[in-house]
Amino acid sequence: KQEVTQIPAALSVPEGENLVLNCSFTDSAIYNLQWFRQDPGKGLTSLLLIQSSQREQTSGRLNASLDKSSGRSTLYIAASQPGDSATYLCAVGGWNQLTFGKGTKLSVIP
Amino acid sequence: SAVISQKPSRDICQRGTSLTIQCQVDSQVTMMFWYRQQPGQSLTLIATANQGSEATYESGFVIDKFPISRPNLTFSTLTVSNMSPEDSSIYLCSVVRTEINTEAFFGQGTRLTVV
Repeated sequence: KQEVTQIPAALSVPEGENLVLNCSFTDSAIYNLQWFRQDPGKGLTSLLLIQSSQREQTSGRLNASLDKSSGRSTLYIAASQPGDSATYLCAVGGWNQLTFGKGTKLSVIP
Repeated sequence: SAVISQKPSRDICQRGTSLTIQCQVDSQVTMMFWYRQQPGQSLTLIATANQGSEATYESGFVIDKFPISRPNLTFSTLTVSNMSPEDSSIYLCSVVRTEINTEAFFGQGTRLTVV
């Protein structure tokens, strides 16, 4: 059974700092990996999708990497802003199912 | 991206009653998924809603408690039946647009509180 772990559970940084969120998974037989953002009490917004054959994806200030062999992914956020404050969820895609980590709660202090 | 409209966005319900949550997608999709997010926890898949056949439930979830309808390729409902305070969660519907790199999209969620 796939298990997804996200470290750290919470992170507080000053505005402008670059940061890395980590995601690890136990079964490397994945179809894809997706990073989401969730604001309090709200649904999920897709940030980046990495197919199993890809190593990284970039969107604006966000860069996500995938290393299937080691079961790891990272989400890099450059020049963080207070508007980046949210919970970031990593989800690993298997056949017809996503397995989620518990998320990293990010606070960016002005 | 897929536009998913989910309603209600939140509700407070009495124990023993039932609530039906609706999910409308802006285009036809083969599979829709229903998730539960309990307070402080991550998302857990309840079931996959298939058009033209019964939903497929994950371990720990049963049809009598969470009946699902899928009348067409753009709409689904999830009912939370005979509610108890333990059902207080955020419920989310999701679709996968397989023609767009299998990216998953989510509705804005329904925040349910059972009192």
